[in-house]
Amino acid sequence: DVKVTQSSRYLVKRTGEKVFLECVQDMDHENMFWYRQDPGLGLRLIYFSYDVKMKEKGDIPEGYSVSREKKERFSLILESASTNQTSMYLCASSPGLAISTDTQYFGPGTRLTVL
Amino acid sequence: AQSVTQPDIHITVSEGASLELRCNYSYGATPYLFWYVQSPGQGLQLLLKYFSGDTLVQGIKGFEAEFKRSQSSFNLRKPSVHWSDAAEYFCAVGDRGGKLIFGQGTELSVKP
Repeated sequence: DVKVTQSSRYLVKRTGEKVFLECVQDMDHENMFWYRQDPGLGLRLIYFSYDVKMKEKGDIPEGYSVSREKKERFSLILESASTNQTSMYLCASSPGLAISTDTQYFGPGTRLTVL
Repeated sequence: AQSVTQPDIHITVSEGASLELRCNYSYGATPYLFWYVQSPGQGLQLLLKYFSGDTLVQGIKGFEAEFKRSQSSFNLRKPSVHWSDAAEYFCAVGDRGGKLIFGQGTELSVKP
């Protein structure tokens, strides 16, 4: 079974703090993704990565950065957390065999609250 | 621009009744279409996907979906709902670059 794990299920941070969200997949997948999920808006793509050290902006990258130093690990960084970044963050990975039709496998999510 | 619309935010059905969740998409070329389910406290799990061939697609847990190009729809169906089907359901369209564009989600409640 593919397993995507996220470092925390719940996280509470203060405005202005630097926040790291970690994601690890154990299936040697090429592609990894970060989404945020908000009620009524579905999932929106923040950043994704096709390969180690490569990253692409998604639909809402402002206020976020990412790091992929190893194939299995993809980190989302909030440089200076703000209250409007309070959300559920979901990480996903996909094999990279056929990028358009690959199944994405999701982690359980991290619910981040910024006070 | 590509987009996905799920017109129903919340649906309640009785256990044993049939289910249809609606999904409409906007995409210039032949779309790649997906349905995911999110059970409470969990990540998303793929139910089924369509990218070519037979327009009626079978998925896991007894779900199926039908691609109708003329209506730009990809509705999800199940003939008999179980209490364990209560969850949030997301329709998504995939672009050629591997990005998924998700709909707003439909929350399903199941009455005993």
